[in-house]
Amino acid sequence: AQSVAQPEDQVNVAEGNPLTVKCTYSVSGNPYLFWYVQYPNRGLQFLLKYITGDNLVKGSYGFEAEFNKSQTSFHLKKPSALVSDSALYFCAVRDHDYKLSFGAGTTVTVRA
Amino acid sequence: ETGVTQSPTHLIKTRGQQVTLRCSSQSGHNTVSWYQQALGQGPQFIFQYYREEENGRGNFPPRFSGLQFPNYSSELNVNALELDDSALYLCASSSYRGANTEAFFGQGTRLTVV
Repeated sequence: AQSVAQPEDQVNVAEGNPLTVKCTYSVSGNPYLFWYVQYPNRGLQFLLKYITGDNLVKGSYGFEAEFNKSQTSFHLKKPSALVSDSALYFCAVRDHDYKLSFGAGTTVTVRA
Repeated sequence: ETGVTQSPTHLIKTRGQQVTLRCSSQSGHNTVSWYQQALGQGPQFIFQYYREEENGRGNFPPRFSGLQFPNYSSELNVNALELDDSALYLCASSSYRGANTEAFFGQGTRLTVV
C-alpha cells in the first residue's frame, strides 16, 4: 500500500523566515505526490504536485516542494513565511486506483 | 474557489438515522471521490465514482453508499448513523485522465451525530 508520513505535528516559524513542512513517502512504482492546505472549517486547497521531471516543483502562493528519491521525501518549502500561511498542511500520494492517501497533517503557525 | 460545492455545510443527526450529503463537481470533471476527515486526522478515502459507477472503495462498511448522476454530481448516503461518523465529509472532483491529475475539494459538510 502507498502511504505518506508527516513526522511533525506542528511547525512554528517567525514571519519572514523560511518554512519547511516535511513529508516522506512509501510507494511501489512512480510516486504521484501532492500538497494540500486546509484553513479552519474549510476544505482542502491544492498547492502543488510532483509527477515527473524537475525535482523542484513550484506551486501556489509562493510554495515549492523538493522531491528527493534517495530519501523518499517530498518536503514543502516557502522562502519567506507569512502570518496568513498559518494553516493545516497535508501531504498525499495517489495510487493506481486514483485514491489519495493523506498524511496526518502538520499545523503551521507563523508568528508576527 | 474550486467550483466544487457541497450541501449542506453543517447538520446534526441522531444515532441510528440516515443522512444524504450532496456534491456538485467542477465543470468538465467526470470523477467524484468522497473522504471522511475525523477531528485531528487526515482525510480517509471512502469511495470514488467515475461515469456513474463506483470504481474504488476504502475501508468503510456497506452502510456508506453513494451515487453519481449523469451530470457527474454525487451523493453520499450513510445509514444507521453511529457517533463515530461525526466528521467533516469532503467531496473531490477530478478528470479521469490519469493518476497525475489533481483533485479539487469542496468546502465539506460537517456532520455531527448525537
